[in-house]
Amino acid sequence: GAVVSQHPSRVICKSGTSVKIECRSLDFQATTMFWYRQFPKQSLMLMATSNEGSKATYEQGVEKDKFLINHASLTLSTLTVTSAHPEDSSFYICSADPGTLYQETQYFGPGTRLLVL
Amino acid sequence: DAKTTQPTSMDCAEGRAANLPCNHSTISGNEYVYWYRQIHSQGPQYIIHGLKNNETNEMASLIITEDRKSSTLILPHATLRDTAVYYCIVRVAADSSYKLIFGSGTRLLVRP
Repeated sequence: GAVVSQHPSRVICKSGTSVKIECRSLDFQATTMFWYRQFPKQSLMLMATSNEGSKATYEQGVEKDKFLINHASLTLSTLTVTSAHPEDSSFYICSADPGTLYQETQYFGPGTRLLVL
Repeated sequence: DAKTTQPTSMDCAEGRAANLPCNHSTISGNEYVYWYRQIHSQGPQYIIHGLKNNETNEMASLIITEDRKSSTLILPHATLRDTAVYYCIVRVAADSSYKLIFGSGTRLLVRP
């Protein structure tokens, strides 16, 4: 149980284009999903917290107009990197929390590797 | 900023117990300690979490000191597949939700 998928697993795009990454919880509903970014040889950095049906909460320094997050259902959140540039190249990882009474635990997707040329 | 500090790297022999320490001296009374691990180029995998009491599951044991300022993750019989970066994380409250703030983690190498 507690499986989270991401699509695509890797994407290469040209500078200036937009890229959409999907995060799905496959066997549970998630009221809260999280988006992280990880640069090579670095730790995960939280970008934003996404609640179903409401606006995402972005971490300091993360541009909300550049990284658009939509959490339209209890099983799907999307991250759109708008007007991507080479410095946006990174490993993007989502997580989802089933929100059970017993434990609040995030289950992570496999990640999406983005390369902007 | 992460509220935890961990050794940069450790190693252990296959079949032996791996004991990974973590310091979280500024932890608050209602903040949980979580452990995740990340194998290269994959998403983090949940291992275990706890508040005050020691916890055990099929993957590992978590020993939390009485003052809650440190903890140890124990992999009882390490295998080569346990080679990964292990993150000790304090879950902090945030608005109406919470955050997991990842630190640098410990790179564990299990030797044959």
